Amino acid sequence: QPVLTQPPSASGTPGQTVTISCSGSSSNIGSNTVNWYQQLPGTAPKLLIFSNNQRPSGVPDRFSGSKSGTSASLAISGLRPEDEADYYCAAWDDRLNGVFGGGTKLTV
Amino acid sequence: EVQVVASGGGLVQPGRSLRLSCTASGFIFGDYGLSWFRQAPGKGLEWIGFIRSEAYGATTEYAASVRGRFIMSRDDSKSIAYLQINSLKNEDTATYYCSRVVGISVVAGDHWGQGTLVAVSS
Repeated sequence: QPVLTQPPSASGTPGQTVTISCSGSSSNIGSNTVNWYQQLPGTAPKLLIFSNNQRPSGVPDRFSGSKSGTSASLAISGLRPEDEADYYCAAWDDRLNGVFGGGTKLTV
Repeated sequence: EVQVVASGGGLVQPGRSLRLSCTASGFIFGDYGLSWFRQAPGKGLEWIGFIRSEAYGATTEYAASVRGRFIMSRDDSKSIAYLQINSLKNEDTATYYCSRVVGISVVAGDHWGQGTLVAVSS
């Protein structure tokens, strides 16, 4: 059972804004930074957001991250068909080390 | 161009050992810590462990699920990191990835490569 909780699925239409949530606890999200990954079908994960809200070079600003308390969110604005993928949140847990959410399958 | 490529996977019998390699290029390998991850077929992502740079003693952290069986190491002169997997179990079947770590979180890997598949079966 994943330590971080994500909705299994999300959906939106092109141009819309979709938000994916990630819920944790005081030992992970509550005291450490959150990272987000995108995994397109059949490919390796790609880092979208690190340190709660930082985008690696090359990641469009349509992707944004935020954190409040023991929860975090990934927002995707101007949704595009190519955004259809699995999205994972990840954080360090002070007791369990690195932990992931179970993933959210986004349908566009 | 930054590249991090895992290799060395294959079909292995339970109880045997396997060493995976993580070959990097396009950046100063010795300046970065590296994390290993895995993904079982059709499942989500799992963090396996992290090895710090030599500047921090190349010390390691492991997930509880693999501690004692998995051993990470690195050879900065070759820009290669290794993951030794001992006493392989069926549940170790997965695609294994390595990535350099950015930011302050060991689960923030910014270049994963295509991964290498380890299949454990008799």
